Amino acid sequence: EDQVTQSPEALRLQEGESSSLNCSYTVSGLRGLFWYRQDPGKGPEFLFTLYSAGEEKEKERLKATLTKKESFLHITAPKPEDSATYLCAVQINQAGTALIFGKGTTLSVSS
Amino acid sequence: GAVVSQHPSRVICKSGTSVKIECRSLDFQATTMFWYRQFPKQSLMLMATSNEGSKATYEQGVEKDKFLINHASLTLSTLTVTSAHPEDSSFYICSARMPSGSSAYNEQFFGPGTRLTVL
Repeated sequence: EDQVTQSPEALRLQEGESSSLNCSYTVSGLRGLFWYRQDPGKGPEFLFTLYSAGEEKEKERLKATLTKKESFLHITAPKPEDSATYLCAVQINQAGTALIFGKGTTLSVSS
Repeated sequence: GAVVSQHPSRVICKSGTSVKIECRSLDFQATTMFWYRQFPKQSLMLMATSNEGSKATYEQGVEKDKFLINHASLTLSTLTVTSAHPEDSSFYICSARMPSGSSAYNEQFFGPGTRLTVL
């Protein structure tokens, strides 16, 4: 069965304290891995798509990396406005198909 | 670009009534849209895949007669929750996939969600 597991469930950081979120996956055939940010009561906001092991993408304080079994979302020197739930999702096999989501990591950054 | 809207953002209804939720891609044409449901502190669960001009494909365990999906145009998909019950209360989110030929093909952009509360 295709599965996506995110850890930790919750993470509390001080402003400026860098850390990483993990997304491990077990799927029949990975087409792409997606990272989204979700604020309370809102829909997910697209961050990154990764397609092959070794690929890395960056956006401001965030960097996403991908291996054959997992992806990391590195947060460098976070700020309070980075507080949100970060969702990882995988797309299997065929392009254009729906995403399978993990349960997310809720990040709280305090000043 | 790549903006997806949903309407209404919040709806409260009585048990037994039907509720329609609209999902629109505002600045691109989406041949495929997806409907998800999210319970508190849970992940998004796919309900159905909506293709313009054809019947929706429902995930296992989702009642197609209860959750009616219509994708009548390239920018609009609707989800109707028929004879709603309290257990249908949830956060419903749609997403739209960029069309083939787009540089962002295969990326999905989500609407802001609709909070449904059935009394």
